[in-house]
Parts: sequence; structure tokens; C-alpha cells
Amino acid sequence: AAGVIQSPRHLIKEKRETATLKCYPIPRHDTVYWYQQGPGQDPQFLISFYEKMQSDKGSIPDRFSAQQFSDYHSELNMSSLELGDSALYFCASRTLAGGSYNEQFFGPGTRLTVL
Amino acid sequence: EDKVVQSPLSLVVHEGDTVTLNCSYEVTNFRSLLWYKQEKKAPTFLFMLTSSGIEKKSGRLSSILDKKELFSILNITATQTGDSAVYLCAVVLDSNYQLIWGAGTKLIIKP
Repeated sequence: AAGVIQSPRHLIKEKRETATLKCYPIPRHDTVYWYQQGPGQDPQFLISFYEKMQSDKGSIPDRFSAQQFSDYHSELNMSSLELGDSALYFCASRTLAGGSYNEQFFGPGTRLTVL
Repeated sequence: EDKVVQSPLSLVVHEGDTVTLNCSYEVTNFRSLLWYKQEKKAPTFLFMLTSSGIEKKSGRLSSILDKKELFSILNITATQTGDSAVYLCAVVLDSNYQLIWGAGTKLIIKP
């Protein structure tokens, strides 16, 4: 079965550079979530999208932006990278259709290292 | 293909009941297994398990890992309504510290 796909899997950037992370949800999933997990820390919720519209916003820095496209894939754009942005970035998807509980599936993550 | 499977998908019990959540895995390079509780937005860490047979305990929650049979269980005794959440299991791979997540168990505790 198809899972959540994230690309790239690993990314190394210099300070002040920009990075774009991509997330391809499971087919027919209408909701995408982005999380940031620093070393030894819990995942922090960044932002979510439902049907291509931002549905919720967490601790996403102003230097970051995200969007969900017509094919439901999502991109997290990160500018003016700082050393503290080095982390695992997870994407998760689910469908809210049906009204009952539908599980959330996490992708494998993108490991961003800022030097 | 590395995978983590949790069961049941959802569970509804009454306050005071004891519940057991299951997490089985098939991965190429196992490093550790993590349990998280997700109530609203982001998962919060509960346990990290690396060795078989050693129970980790925190209050009414406990967890154990069986590396031979490739599974872990999370037990919650004397459940309370505040235990209602999605419980996620994730396996950390030894090769690159990547996390492979299960789909979670949605636990509902009725008063």
C-alpha cells in the first residue's frame, strides 16, 4: 500500500540558505500535517492543511511558509536557515471524510542539517 | 519494507478499566521503540524501549518490549478520561535514526 512520501530524505544546507521540503500524502487523503522534531525532543506541530487551505497553525516560524497544491501534495519552504532549524521534519496525512476516526499516517521524515 | 503496525485501531472503555495497546514491527535495523501520546496537535513522549523484557513504568502507564517476537505493549491501568488520546508507536532505525511510525490507536475513555 502507498505510504506518505517525503523528499528529500536528507538535506544539508548552509546558514541563511533556503530549503524546500516536499510531502506527498496517501492517495485520497485530504489533510496534511507538518511537524518538526529536534534532537531528543518531541515533535512540534508546525502547520496543517485541509483541502488545500491552511486549517491550523502551530509553532511555525515566520521564516517558514507552506502550502498544499491541487494534487494535495504539500511543500514547506524555509528561508534564512539557522543552525537551530536542524531537525527531522515529518509530514503526516489523513482523511477527514466519513466523520469517524481515521488514522494519521506519518512519512519517513526529512533530516535537515544546517551548517 | 520497514513497517510498524498498531492494534487496535480504536478502543472505547470505561473509566477504571485497564487497556493494552499493541505495536508490532518489521524493520531491518532496529535501534529503539518509542511510545507517544497525541492529544491535540503534536505527540508527546512517553517511553523509549531498547532492551527486551525490561518494563518501563510511569504512574499508571507501563510498557515492555519483546525483541524476539518483535512487538511492544503499552498498558494503562485505572484509566481516566484524561487518558483519551491517540497513542503512537514509532521505531528508530539504527542505520540513520529514521523513525518509522505506526498509525496509532485512538483510545476513548468514557466516564
